[in-house]
Formats: sequence, C-alpha cells, structure tokens
Amino acid sequence: NAGVTQTPKFQVLKTGQSMTLQCAQDMNHEYMSWYRQDPGMGLRLIHYSVGAGITDQGEVPNGYNVSRSTTEDFPLRLLSAAPSQTSVYFCASSTSILEGQLTRGYTFGSGTRLTVV
Amino acid sequence: SQQGEEDPQALSIQEGENATMNCSYKTSINNLQWYRQNSGRGLVHLILIRSNEREKHSGRLRVTLDTSKKSSSLLITASRAADTASYFCATGYYGGSQGNLIFGKGTKLSVKP
Repeated sequence: NAGVTQTPKFQVLKTGQSMTLQCAQDMNHEYMSWYRQDPGMGLRLIHYSVGAGITDQGEVPNGYNVSRSTTEDFPLRLLSAAPSQTSVYFCASSTSILEGQLTRGYTFGSGTRLTVV
Repeated sequence: SQQGEEDPQALSIQEGENATMNCSYKTSINNLQWYRQNSGRGLVHLILIRSNEREKHSGRLRVTLDTSKKSSSLLITASRAADTASYFCATGYYGGSQGNLIFGKGTKLSVKP
C-alpha cells in the first residue's frame, strides 16, 4: 500500500495564481483532512471530510476550497494565492470512527511545501 | 480554538536517558494522540489513548492521561539518537466533528549520542 500520497512535493506560486494540491489514499479511509504547518504554530486544520460528498471547514478555511467526489481523493484548491499561504501542507486520513471517536491514529502524507511570492 | 499545549518547547538529553513531554488541553476530549515528526517529514502516529484510559504502553513509550487535570505525558525510556524529532499531542474533543484533531505546537527533542 502506498498510504497517503501528496503531489507536488514542492511548488512556487505567484500571488494571485490558483492551484490544486493533490491527496490520494489507497486504504479506503473514510475520514480525510488537510492541515497547514507554519513555524511556531503547530498544525492547523483547514478542511476535512467524513466521506465522499461530505466536507466541512476547519480552523483556517479562508482562501481554500475542497471537494470529495471519491473515497480515495481529497484535493485542496487555492483560489488566489497569497504570501500568507506560504506553508507546508499535510493531508491525513483515518478510519475506524466508532461512536464519534477515532480508534486509530491518522496516516499523514509527506507534505507539500508551498511558497507564494 | 481548543489546543493541546506541549511542555517543554525544547528538550535536550543524552542517549540512554529518559525523556518526558507534557501536554495540557482546555476542554473535554474523546481521545488524545501523540505523533512524531522528523525534520522535513510527515507526522507519524505513535499512540492513542481514550478518555476512559489512564495509561498506555507501546514499546519504549508510555503515555498517561489525567482528565481531571486535563493533561497527558509522553515518556520515552532509554532514548536513542534516532528519537530526535518533534513530538506533538493532538486532542479529539468531545462534541467535535468525527475524527477532528487539534494539534499542539510540539516539543522538539534532541538526543545527543
């Protein structure tokens, strides 16, 4: 199994450009999420999905869109890139949500390092 | 937003010593997890402890949870240079959406050979 695959690994964008960060998992996990990691800030939740066709906002959703048309894929779209979106982006997935609780930890992708100039 | 806060922010020890990291959180939780992140890499799940559990072990790792004090600790025994990494606690909070985790800012552990 490949686990969680994120592409690209590195990206440089100009202010105002749009792009899509890809995330795919082959573990049939129903739960997927996107985090951004900034120095000294830990990880902050951007958007998440509890299954195909269902998405919701996290702590810092502004400037990002998501969709979940399949169980495997959860792309993150930057609508109009800004320097404040310079960050490392992580996709994660999990399963075994029982009675509202996770019974397993997240599996993380290796991240996309995005720079907006 | 509710967040786990790790303490200390940085920890430097010698190989063979034990390392203890603490995590405090603010509101009721369903579960608490610990993750490790090596420099420039993704996070790796270490251990999950549920709100009705008090202690859990996995190899050289021991996690405790005190819900009355809203705190958890991660103990790494007989540390190795390969344990050098950042360690994060993450809380699944009661009443939150299924599976949502809120991460702390992490403890940076350095194990010197």
